[in-house]
Amino acid sequence: RKEVEQDPGPFNVPEGATVAFNCTYSNSASQSFFWYRQDCRKEPKLLMSVYSSGNEDGRFTAQLNRASQYISLLIRDSKLSDSATYLCALPDSGAGSYQLTFGKGTKLSVIP
Amino acid sequence: DTGVSQDPRHKITKRGQNVTFRCDPISEHNRLYWYRQTLGQGPEFLTYFQNEAQLEKSRLLSDRFSAERPKGSFSTLEIQRTEQGDSAMYLCASSPGTGVGYTFGSGTRLTVV
Repeated sequence: RKEVEQDPGPFNVPEGATVAFNCTYSNSASQSFFWYRQDCRKEPKLLMSVYSSGNEDGRFTAQLNRASQYISLLIRDSKLSDSATYLCALPDSGAGSYQLTFGKGTKLSVIP
Repeated sequence: DTGVSQDPRHKITKRGQNVTFRCDPISEHNRLYWYRQTLGQGPEFLTYFQNEAQLEKSRLLSDRFSAERPKGSFSTLEIQRTEQGDSAMYLCASSPGTGVGYTFGSGTRLTVV
């Protein structure tokens, strides 16, 4: 299994819909997980951090399934402004490693 | 502006030339990272500094790449003898500790012609 895998999409959803993305990972020892949002030709911006079973922030919910080694991001009541690429990231599995390994991202397009 | 600053925003260079990018991290952050991102890919790790010490380097960081963080504040990334394959967005990020998400700068978009 690759370290971090994401479905590249695109996910095309109507405004107001609920959409969920999954991210599978191989580092079973990871204690922290991150979702980033990246707009076209811009830098990634931290959306949510997950340190236990999950996290919720408004319309966004992240859930962690350690047994199956995946994290999910749920977006409720999608807005046009949610259109972006969503990257998941977690610490590299190498011993003494400090960097985050990123997935390739899932592209979301919210359609009027 | 208290975010991560990168300079320049864009750089077009001819193959074979040397280029240098600068990153100013958030002042309270002692960890600084360089990543590279190409179209359709996630950011790929290049190197990591804790204060002035370069603690990790990726296999992606060939001998033509060198990074410094001389006083534990700003960092520079130099690419010597650029190749067309070096064309990418070079992202700098900083964080206050391990297990914490990064803050990225706006990146330097390099085009090698």
